[in-house]
Amino acid sequence: AQSVTQLDSQVPVFEEAPVELRCNYSSSVSVYLFWYVQYPNQGLQLLLKYLSGSTLVESINGFEAEFNKSQTSFHLRKPSVHISDTAEYFCAVSEAGGYQKVTFGTGTKLQVIP
Amino acid sequence: SAVISQKPSRDICQRGTSLTIQCQVDSQVTMMFWYRQQPGQSLTLIATANQGSEATYESGFVIDKFPISRPNLTFSTLTVSNMSPEDSSIYLCSVGFDRAYGYTFGSGTRLTVV
Repeated sequence: AQSVTQLDSQVPVFEEAPVELRCNYSSSVSVYLFWYVQYPNQGLQLLLKYLSGSTLVESINGFEAEFNKSQTSFHLRKPSVHISDTAEYFCAVSEAGGYQKVTFGTGTKLQVIP
Repeated sequence: SAVISQKPSRDICQRGTSLTIQCQVDSQVTMMFWYRQQPGQSLTLIATANQGSEATYESGFVIDKFPISRPNLTFSTLTVSNMSPEDSSIYLCSVGFDRAYGYTFGSGTRLTVV
């Protein structure tokens, strides 16, 4: 079984400042890692994922996350946030190979302050 | 990625009644998943539904309370039975797995039980 820990429930940050949302996971097998974003009153959208290969993965809107196997982490970063990034971010893990259940962290609410 | 249509988007129901949530996918998928997101909390997997077999329920969820149907490879329903206010949540269906898009989620059904 796997688990996910998101250490920060809320992160306030000023617009154009950098941000890091932390995620640690636990699993006894190889995993896939995901970051999902949920905007207010909307569904879940995949932000980025790590399946294999390069440990640094990027999204189209400037977010990046790095898979660190030794620290069992998959922290999400953005060098300069915008108001539109205000949302809740969920880190998630599944067993590698696909077609497995996904275990979610408790979520981090990112509030970008003008 | 697969496109998921979930109905209804929201509903307000009386306690003791049942609600059936529909999930329609625009392509054939092997596995479908049903999740619950209680207010202010993360997503929890209710069950996994494969076409042609009984759904597999996670610990804490039972078929009598959350019966699931999976009549074909593009459709599934989740019924929330004998509802109580504690069932007020967002219910989401999900399909997987695509290496490009990960697991795709429906927009969710926001259920309020009064």
